[in-house]
Amino acid sequence: EAQVTQNPRYLITVTGKKLTVTCSQNMNHEYMSWYRQDPGLGLRQIYYSMNVEVTDKGDVPEGYKVSRKEKRNFPLILESPSPNQTSLYFCASSPRTGPLSSYEQYFGPGTRLTVT
Amino acid sequence: ILNVEQSPQSLHVQEGDSTNFTCSFPSSNFYALHWYRWETAKSPEALFVMTLNGDEKKKGRISATLNTKEGYSYLYIKGSQPEDSATYLCASGGRRALTFGSGTRLQVQP
Repeated sequence: EAQVTQNPRYLITVTGKKLTVTCSQNMNHEYMSWYRQDPGLGLRQIYYSMNVEVTDKGDVPEGYKVSRKEKRNFPLILESPSPNQTSLYFCASSPRTGPLSSYEQYFGPGTRLTVT
Repeated sequence: ILNVEQSPQSLHVQEGDSTNFTCSFPSSNFYALHWYRWETAKSPEALFVMTLNGDEKKKGRISATLNTKEGYSYLYIKGSQPEDSATYLCASGGRRALTFGSGTRLQVQP
C-alpha cells in the first residue's frame, strides 16, 4: 500500500531533550516536506526537500533540523525542544516529475508533540 | 511568504444544501492551487491541483474553479452530506514551497 508513515504518533517530552520524528514514504517520491499545524494558523511549512541531500527552509524553520540521506526517509530533529514547539506535525511527500497538476501531496498520519 | 486566505472560517449547513467557499492568493508568480480535505483525526487528502486560469475540476459532488488573474478559487459542494463534514484547505505554490490557508471548517447537520 502506498503510504507515508510517521513515528511516533504521540510524544510527550520535556524542554531541552533532543528528539527525532521519523518519516518514511514508499512511493519513490522526490519531494518531502514537514508541516506543523496550530489552531487558527493552518499548516505551516517547516522544511522541504527536493531530493536526496537537498533540503531547504520553509516558513518556520527555527528550532528544527532535517536530513535527507535516503530518498524514502526525511526525519525531523528537534535538538532542544521548547514548549512553543508543542504542535501537530505532518510529513508529506509528492512526485516532482510531470506537470504541476500532478504535484499533490500525500500526508502522513501526523505526530502530536507536547513539550512541557 | 505568500498570503493565502480562506473564507468563511466555518460553515454550518443542513444535509442537502449546496455550499461554496473561497480561497484567495497572490496572483503574481502563480504556479498551482491545491485543495485538500481534512477530516478530524485523519490526514489531509488531496482533492484537486489546478494550474490553468479558468480550470474547472470535479470529483463526485465536489467541484472547484480557478481564476489566476484575480487570485481566487472557489470550492463547491452540491447536496452536502454529513460525511462531507471536514476542514477544507487550499494551498498555493510551485515546485518548491507550498503555503496553506487556515481552512474552512464545514459541518453538515443531518
